[in-house]
Amino acid sequence: DTAVSQTPKYLVTQMGNDKSIKCEQNLGHDTMYWYKQDSKKFLKIMFSYNNKELIINETVPNRFSPKSPDKAHLNLHINSLELGDSAVYFCASSQPTSSHEQFFGPGTRLTVL
Amino acid sequence: QKEVEQNSGPLSVPEGAIASLNCTYSDRGSQSFFWYRQYSGKSPELIMFIYSNGDKEDGRFTAQLNKASQYVSLLIRDSQPSDSATYLCAVNGYQKVTFGIGTKLQVIP
Repeated sequence: DTAVSQTPKYLVTQMGNDKSIKCEQNLGHDTMYWYKQDSKKFLKIMFSYNNKELIINETVPNRFSPKSPDKAHLNLHINSLELGDSAVYFCASSQPTSSHEQFFGPGTRLTVL
Repeated sequence: QKEVEQNSGPLSVPEGAIASLNCTYSDRGSQSFFWYRQYSGKSPELIMFIYSNGDKEDGRFTAQLNKASQYVSLLIRDSQPSDSATYLCAVNGYQKVTFGIGTKLQVIP
């Protein structure tokens, strides 16, 4: 009965490869997010989707492409991976009509070699 | 100026003491304020949120908000070693929540 789940938990890959991270929430929330937490532990928003529509796209390289097939899923595809992409990526969801509390997934630790 | 500022610490307090964590924000239009706790290697989890000026208490935790000073704080009474974690201040602005860098708290037994 996990609220927000992500796969995979760990991802180790070579520079230049393409990889995807999947996220699913079973909370019935309308809004989902992708965050990047770097080695300095700073949690920075990348994208936000509300009911499958992109509402926030921070200054993220266009190698990153989110996709929301339905409001319970938000996937992140990364092309041509670079060393600087190494970080922990968190998916989160919230219901903006309530307290705006965000529920986070367990995170995906991406290591680019 | 960063949107949400916190001292990264570490803040060390002895077991049983009061830990005081502080946060300032730049957007005067911000409406809601959150404190998340993040243990090492884990995801952030919400421990308190506050909307109105003043204090809000929940068990050993008290959140304090002063919108005029653009300041929000978290007090942890009777600190326990299990409270050792990074505490992230988050502020809800236009369409998004912005997080501070977090303050690392160490409670010394």
